[in-house]
Amino acid sequence: GEDVEQSLFLSVREGDSSVINCTYTDSSSTYLYWYKQEPGAGLQLLTYIFSNMDMKQDQRLTVLLNKKDKHLSLRIADTQTGDSAIYFCAERGHGGSQGNLIFGKGTKLSVKP
Amino acid sequence: NAGVTQTPKFRVLKTGQSMTLLCAQDMNHEYMYWYRQDPGMGLRLIHYSVGEGTTAKGEVPDGYNVSRLKKQNFLLGLESAAPSQTSVYFCASLLGLAGLNEQFFGPGTRLTVL
Repeated sequence: GEDVEQSLFLSVREGDSSVINCTYTDSSSTYLYWYKQEPGAGLQLLTYIFSNMDMKQDQRLTVLLNKKDKHLSLRIADTQTGDSAIYFCAERGHGGSQGNLIFGKGTKLSVKP
Repeated sequence: NAGVTQTPKFRVLKTGQSMTLLCAQDMNHEYMYWYRQDPGMGLRLIHYSVGEGTTAKGEVPDGYNVSRLKKQNFLLGLESAAPSQTSVYFCASLLGLAGLNEQFFGPGTRLTVL
């Protein structure tokens, strides 16, 4: 079935790198996504990766995709206190015509000064 | 553009009461979704709509009804609220199935059922 797994918590010190890991199930997913939810707010698309890519870099963010293992990771370099949030990994739902996303449970990133 | 807006932001209900949550988007998006978010559970899809006048069930539809009479609005109704429906509700919209499929989310409605 459809399932996206990620660890629930990560704590790092300001200035360190953060790595959030995710496993997904649908090998046919065209895009894989990382959404960010700040406290008291809705989700916003943070970054994404196209399935024919292994890596995507966007300023402090690096996304790695291992299609063989169905493993996705998000690395945040030089983590700041403003990066404290919940990060959701997501893939497209298998229904195709629905357009819905299957989300992981979210990883709460805490950044300590 | 306001993007996706939700009304109300907070609400407290007693068991058995009814209410309607309103979601509005001004981006001319075809698809709209209602999710609920519970601690440790992530986001779960309640109902969705692939266009004006259409609705369909998601993963957890029981106890909820929806309507999409106008393209820009997607309403979520609770006919007889239960404590298990205490949650944060998010609406999202999607332009279409081509390309990136970025969903845009509203700020959420925090509902407490006593």
